[in-house]
Amino acid sequence: EVQVVESGGALVKPGGSLILSCAASGFTFSNAWMTWVRQGPGKGLEWVGRIKREIDGGTTDYASPVKGRFTISRDDSKTTLYLQMNSLKTEDTAIYYCCAGLGSSEYDFWGQGTLVTVSS
Amino acid sequence: EIVMTQTPLLSPVTLGQPASISCRSSQSLVSGDGNTYLNWLQQRPGQPPRLLIYRVSSRFSGVPDRFSGSGAGTDFTLKISRVEAEDVGIYYCMQATHIPQTFGQGTKVEI
Repeated sequence: EVQVVESGGALVKPGGSLILSCAASGFTFSNAWMTWVRQGPGKGLEWVGRIKREIDGGTTDYASPVKGRFTISRDDSKTTLYLQMNSLKTEDTAIYYCCAGLGSSEYDFWGQGTLVTVSS
Repeated sequence: EIVMTQTPLLSPVTLGQPASISCRSSQSLVSGDGNTYLNWLQQRPGQPPRLLIYRVSSRFSGVPDRFSGSGAGTDFTLKISRVEAEDVGIYYCMQATHIPQTFGQGTKVEI
């Protein structure tokens, strides 16, 4: 069974940092393009960024609001995706979802999400 | 940035009746490889989103065949042939052709 499980969400002060993890199982993680999507309270979905699989260069792309502050990385040996978030702002408050792309799209499977709250 | 515009934003439906959601993009979603990366997602209340339709018209594994997608270029449609109670939720179109990838505002489907 394909599973992606996010963790690491927390309450953090503006300007602070946080690392989210997404543990994957049930599929060949190294073959997947992985994406982070967030959803602010009562709001719609917002693309955060993605990382391609190593065979496709392992490159990353980011949304403008997070570029330069957030970093996406992956450890294929641990089948884990990461989101390093620095210089957090109140507008980064959201549920952060991890998505696995296994061939149909980049959004084939979603995790349950992890809540990040940025507040003083 | 590609803007995705969904209509309507609220869709009152009747059980057993059809429903339709439109999605328009501000630019063509045809990729250089010839594919159109337009997806439809469903988010039931209190749940994470899930993939329904990818590349305009392909149903994802396990998605009931009452869901169908169509369209080309900049205009796309999601249809539910006969609405069931479990279809209540918010539906999003999104494009993965251009970076940044972008989502529509969401259409709330309610009975």
